[in-house]
Amino acid sequence: QKEVEQNSGPLSVPEGAIASLNCTYSDRGSQSFFWYRQYSGKSPELIMFIYSNGDKEDGRFTAQLNKASQYVSLLIRDSQPSDSATYLCAGGDNNDMRFGAGTRLTVKP
Amino acid sequence: EAGVTQSPTHLIKTRGQQATLRCSPISGHTSVYWYQQALGLGLQFLLWYDEGEERNRGNFPPRFSGRQFPNYSSELNVNALELEDSALYLCASSLVAGRDTQYFGPGTRLTVL
Repeated sequence: QKEVEQNSGPLSVPEGAIASLNCTYSDRGSQSFFWYRQYSGKSPELIMFIYSNGDKEDGRFTAQLNKASQYVSLLIRDSQPSDSATYLCAGGDNNDMRFGAGTRLTVKP
Repeated sequence: EAGVTQSPTHLIKTRGQQATLRCSPISGHTSVYWYQQALGLGLQFLLWYDEGEERNRGNFPPRFSGRQFPNYSSELNVNALELEDSALYLCASSLVAGRDTQYFGPGTRLTVL
């Protein structure tokens, strides 16, 4: 059974802090990984994707992939109250894409 | 460029009825995915269509079915509705089948009374 696992949270950080979101996956064949943000009552929107081991930075967001440990993370620097949402991790190959249950992040002013 | 569209936005049905939800992918995208998201829960994969064929199916009973049309739009049908089918149904599309970025529509909120 291919699984993508995330801590459900909630994760609470103060404004300006770094939020660290983690995800593990069971299928070593997974090739591509995604982080989506979902505000309450809205549909998920893509934040970042990562295919290669290492770090990928985009503005305040950094995705990290470690295929040996089957681990993906998302760092949000200078967290803002507007970052408060549920963050979904997804991983897939040519035949399948699996989503984690999501981690709820609250950034307190 | 228009995003993924879904209709209707809201749908209210009673137990035992049938529901039909529709999705139009981003222009040029051939893969369409359907997910169920019950209140407070994660995305549960329902169905994946690519080039008119069903490619994969999640752990849902056969009363959840669908199809993809030649223009790549898709329809999700839920027969014999049950109260626990009440959820947000999300459609997503991707350019490349399987491991490519999925772009989500706004969803259809189905309420079963």
